[in-house]
Amino acid sequence: QQPVQSPQAVILREGEDAVINCSSSKALYSVHWYRQKHGEAPVFLMILLKGGEQKGHEKISASFNEKKQQSSLYLTASQLSYSGTYFCGTATQGGSEKLVFGKGTKLTVNP
Amino acid sequence: DAEITQSPRHKITETGRQVTLACHQTWNHNNMFWYRQDLGHGLRLIHYSYGVQDTNKGEVSDGYSVSRSNTEDLPLTLESAASSQTSVYFCASSPPHGGEQYFGPGTRLTVT
Repeated sequence: QQPVQSPQAVILREGEDAVINCSSSKALYSVHWYRQKHGEAPVFLMILLKGGEQKGHEKISASFNEKKQQSSLYLTASQLSYSGTYFCGTATQGGSEKLVFGKGTKLTVNP
Repeated sequence: DAEITQSPRHKITETGRQVTLACHQTWNHNNMFWYRQDLGHGLRLIHYSYGVQDTNKGEVSDGYSVSRSNTEDLPLTLESAASSQTSVYFCASSPPHGGEQYFGPGTRLTVT
């Protein structure tokens, strides 16, 4: 079942912060986050594993709440280069390489 | 450098024709995936493979087939193209145990 992402879209000014959420109705083993710029392929940001710690990638970090089956992506002090569509992909089994992706959150960062 | 490529990048075909989209990766990954991306739907899994001679159906597999005869390639075939299959198709590969997926550049397919 497809995870639900919120919000669907967000507009920021450079330097502002944003949070993107990903929720599933199923018990999750891992959550992946990807960013896709217009006309390009999705690019991997990070993986969060059940029982694992919060992961970080420069000014982008994420958390995974196993009890609520939710993950949140935190973008701090956003830059113009952060613009794009963010997707979460979820796996329900350990060792399962197959992901189910959410519909995406479109982030626009303006000067 | 290792990479994943798709061909063609753009394709226009007619309803009812058979179409094959190629995907080739030099990462030596066992896992390969085909997704379609449509506005408002995100990425939806069509078929996937965990190794040579292994293929599995994803959530939107009707009308599509794949075969895996070697590690590097996973071609996607549309048996009889339909207008509903107009989409952008992405191929991806990943190492074992649920690692990062590396996406190809995509193929934009239009069925008229």
